[in-house]
Amino acid sequence: AQTVTQSQPEMSVQEAETVTLSCTYDTSESDYYLFWYKQPPSRQMILVIRQEAYKQQNATENRFSVNFQKAAKSFSLKISDSQLGDAAMYFCAYRSKGRSGGATNKLIFGTGTLLAVQP
Amino acid sequence: GAGVSQSPSNKVTEKGKDVELRCDPISGHTALYWYRQSLGQGLEFLIYFQGNSAPDKSGLPSDRFSAERTGGSVSTLTIQRTQQEDSAVYLCASSRRDIGNTIYFGEGSWLTVV
Repeated sequence: AQTVTQSQPEMSVQEAETVTLSCTYDTSESDYYLFWYKQPPSRQMILVIRQEAYKQQNATENRFSVNFQKAAKSFSLKISDSQLGDAAMYFCAYRSKGRSGGATNKLIFGTGTLLAVQP
Repeated sequence: GAGVSQSPSNKVTEKGKDVELRCDPISGHTALYWYRQSLGQGLEFLIYFQGNSAPDKSGLPSDRFSAERTGGSVSTLTIQRTQQEDSAVYLCASSRRDIGNTIYFGEGSWLTVV
């Protein structure tokens, strides 16, 4: 069974600085999806960024980028120029890709990293 | 609708009572998921619906939990004879396979059993 591990329960960053959140996973599959979700106090889970395992290029969305190391099964999230609105719980998640090429059932989540942004 | 809609937002119930939580997925999304998030914890998968296929119920913690999805759209999660350990946020999500398989979440229903 697949597992996702986030070893940093809490992180803190100064406004405008850069922070990296760690995520490792375990799987025997060769093709899958990886995601970072953000959950602010409002509880709404917001997709930050996604990566398909067969794509070697690291995904980037504005100030958010990932460092995807497939062999090491590592998927870290880098937040550049941190803003006060980035403060939230961040979850790393894994999702299998079925034989048909479409994803199948559930996201498997890590336990989350609570990010504080200091003004 | 524009997003996944859940109701009620908050529910306080007495131990032993039954509760129903409702989820209205994004229009056109064929897949629907229920997750549970206990205080300070990650997300625990409960159940998954995909089109007309049999649901994946492998995450339901006990037979007090059940869910149905009517007409391939709205879903109801029912918890019978609630216990205090059922207190959590219940998150619903939906996805559509042909749009990158991204899963979109609702804001959740916060259940408190007293």
